[in-house]
Amino acid sequence: AQKITQTQPGMFVQEKEAVTLDCTYDTSDPSYGLFWYKQPSSGEMIFLIYQGSYDQQNATEGRYSLNFQKARKSANLVISASQLGDSAMYFCAMREGASGSARQLTFGSGTQLTVLP
Amino acid sequence: EAGVVQSPRYKIIEKKQPVAFWCNPISGHNTLYWYRQNLGQGPELLIRYENEEAVDDSQLPKDRFSAERLKGVDSTLKIQPAELGDSAVYLCASSVGEGVPNSPLHFGNGTRLTVT
Repeated sequence: AQKITQTQPGMFVQEKEAVTLDCTYDTSDPSYGLFWYKQPSSGEMIFLIYQGSYDQQNATEGRYSLNFQKARKSANLVISASQLGDSAMYFCAMREGASGSARQLTFGSGTQLTVLP
Repeated sequence: EAGVVQSPRYKIIEKKQPVAFWCNPISGHNTLYWYRQNLGQGPELLIRYENEEAVDDSQLPKDRFSAERLKGVDSTLKIQPAELGDSAVYLCASSVGEGVPNSPLHFGNGTRLTVT
């Protein structure tokens, strides 16, 4: 079974509008972390935001926020006030286990976001 | 601080030839990862190092792939011999060690390998 599922291969959004990128995950470990990365066409992976499984509040970083619904095992990324520079591939990733255990990230297949002028 | 440095940026080789990739992680980062990213897909882990020890290499095709991290700093990933299906972007990443569960992976720019 896929650990990270991103069901939207591509998304379009009008400049200045908000957009939600979906991510669902599968784990039996009570301790885990969820990460979102942005990959522009140039190829670098840019870390955006983190949500821990025990965090009580949804994470926010500037225009990025995470809609974390633990019971549904979803961690959707919300980008507010989209900019042309937001056009990129977006990956959701998960790290399972508490500190000291497995630390690699497992990535989803990504969502290609295109911001329209 | 300087980021993760990888070289070369691009590599084109013929099948059955050997190839090597080099990675210099962020200073002080004990954990180093090699990922492979196929076109249109997310990165997949090949190997993870804690200092100089390979602690997870279950996804590394050991018949043709090898890796080393001498002195717990720089790392090299080698393929010998390369096959057409090895064409991909090879990403190196690093992160701080124990005790920081929210520490993100910091990625290099990757090496785009084309096998002809």
